[in-house]
Amino acid sequence: KQEVTQIPAALSVPEGENLVLNCSFTDSAIYNLQWFRQDPGKGLTSLLLIQSSQREQTSGRLNASLDKSSGRSTLYIAASQPGDSATYLCAVNDSGAGSYQLTFGKGTKLSVIP
Amino acid sequence: DAGITQSPRHKVTETGTPVTLRCHQTENHRYMYWYRQDPGHGLRLIHYSYGVKDTDKGEVSDGYSVSRSKTEDFLLTLESATSSQTSVYFCAIRGTGVSYEQYFGPGTRLTVT
Repeated sequence: KQEVTQIPAALSVPEGENLVLNCSFTDSAIYNLQWFRQDPGKGLTSLLLIQSSQREQTSGRLNASLDKSSGRSTLYIAASQPGDSATYLCAVNDSGAGSYQLTFGKGTKLSVIP
Repeated sequence: DAGITQSPRHKVTETGTPVTLRCHQTENHRYMYWYRQDPGHGLRLIHYSYGVKDTDKGEVSDGYSVSRSKTEDFLLTLESATSSQTSVYFCAIRGTGVSYEQYFGPGTRLTVT
């Protein structure tokens, strides 16, 4: 059974700092990996998706990398802003399931202090 | 936002009553999913659908049933609600194309008293 772990569970940084969020997964047979953002009381917003054949994806100040063989992904946020404060979720799409189900980590709650 | 709506957005119900949550999408996506989100557990898959009348169980399906009679609607039913089903419920769709990116609805907060 796939297990996804996100460390740390919470992170507080001063505005302007670059930061890295970590995600690890136990079964490397994945189809892709998605990073989401969730604001309090809101739904999930997809940030980046990395296919299993890719090493990284970039969108604005966000860069996600994938090392499938070691079961790790990182989300890099450059020049953090207070508006980046949210919970960030990592989810893997198991290629063998046929249903393209997502298995989620429990998230990292990010606070960017002005 | 992939045209996903959920109704109701908030509901309080009593133990033992039936409850149905609705997910509606406007873009004709084949795959739809129901997840629940609980503190300490993250999001877990309840059921999913891969077409009209085609559904299957997820990780936490006990106590839930689903139906999909039209492409655009995916219903989640709690036949007899229990306090352990107090949660936030999210519907999602799988996008088209090779990426199979999933997009989520705004969620339904259900409280069972």
